[in-house]
Amino acid sequence: AQSVTQPDIHITVSEGASLELRCNYSYGATPYLFWYVQSPGQGLQLLLKYFSGDTLVQGIKGFEAEFKRSQSSFNLRKPSVHWSDAAEYFCAVGDNPMEYGNKLVFGAGTILRVKS
Amino acid sequence: DADVTQTPRNRITKTGKRIMLECSQTKGHDRMYWYRQDPGLGLQLIYYSFDVKDINKGEISDGYSVSRQAQAKFSLSLESAIPNQTALYFCATSGRHTGELFFGEGSRLTVL
Repeated sequence: AQSVTQPDIHITVSEGASLELRCNYSYGATPYLFWYVQSPGQGLQLLLKYFSGDTLVQGIKGFEAEFKRSQSSFNLRKPSVHWSDAAEYFCAVGDNPMEYGNKLVFGAGTILRVKS
Repeated sequence: DADVTQTPRNRITKTGKRIMLECSQTKGHDRMYWYRQDPGLGLQLIYYSFDVKDINKGEISDGYSVSRQAQAKFSLSLESAIPNQTALYFCATSGRHTGELFFGEGSRLTVL
């Protein structure tokens, strides 16, 4: 069965520190991978996506993620966290969205807290 | 104005009542979706539609129905609400040539 695991429910980092949010997936076909962010009271916003090619992808707000097929992982990173990054982050996987639509399987989310 | 608008944003209702959540979009996308968010579970797909004549069940469609009234409008109905349908519901859209979902701000439903 398709699944996404985000092992960390909550993470707290100091402002200016580096960040890594973990994501592991189980998917039978070629995975199309996404990271979304949800600020309080808001809908989700796409941070970045991996479809093919370079396994290190850059996103908005200074985030990047690396696809590692051998580890079935797609971890999200940021070198220096800002207080405004405090939010909930979701990893998701699905089929080719252009062909099959965004029928995504989401992880349970990781809540990021930033301390000053 | 938001590109994807959901109404109502908050609703409290009683068990057995019929509820409709509405979604409209100005992005011109063909594809629309309803997802449900529960704490600790992430988002789960309820229904999706790739055009006005195409409606498909997602992974948790039991107890829900949808209507695609126009390209820009996609409504979710709970015919007889029950407490375990208490959740945050999101409408989303996507285009044929992008891989991105565009979300509304969510409709929080509480069933007592």
